[in-house]
Amino acid sequence: SQTIHQWPATLVQPVGSPLSLECTVEGTSNPNLYWYRQAAGRGLQLLFYSVGIGQISSEVPQNLSASRPQDRQFILSSKKLLLSDSGFYLCAWGGESNSPLHFGNGTRLTVT
Amino acid sequence: QKEVEQNSGPLSVPEGAIASLNCTYSDRGSQSFFWYRQYSGKSPELIMSIYSNGDKEDGRFTAQLNKASQYVSLLIRDSQPSDSATYLCAVNKYGNQFYFGTGTSLTVIP
Repeated sequence: SQTIHQWPATLVQPVGSPLSLECTVEGTSNPNLYWYRQAAGRGLQLLFYSVGIGQISSEVPQNLSASRPQDRQFILSSKKLLLSDSGFYLCAWGGESNSPLHFGNGTRLTVT
Repeated sequence: QKEVEQNSGPLSVPEGAIASLNCTYSDRGSQSFFWYRQYSGKSPELIMSIYSNGDKEDGRFTAQLNKASQYVSLLIRDSQPSDSATYLCAVNKYGNQFYFGTGTSLTVIP
């Protein structure tokens, strides 16, 4: 069966510091991968999605970037965090042939 | 116009009652539709998928899809306190793009 791992679970970072969140999927090949952000009391905002290694689509221009160095690895990065980057970051896989998305446990990021 | 809209609630129902959650979407080209449950502080969990017009039942949950009206709903029968959560409606466009509503908060009162 497929599993998705996301870490760290919580993170507190000062404004201006860099960010790296990692997500890996097991039990499937060439999955579609997604990064979403959920601000407190808000809906899910699609940040990036990827249909293959090195293929990244950005939905919202901002100071975040994503990379997919390996088939089942998806990384979300920032060079300098802003206060507005605080939120709940969710990695997900799925979407092939209209299949649903499956989410990791999420990373709660607080920028101070 | 938002891709997916839901009433934010909160919706309160007594234990044992039917909870009805609604969702509308803007793009007629949307292909598949999903309901997720999200407990406070946790990630969304898939509870229902629906792809064609009509009803789909799974245990106490029934999803209803009306593509002509661009409307999706979720019924929860015999609501339990453990059903208290935020319910997210999601729509898949063009295979790769998923859009989520802001969620409806449901409280089941014992």
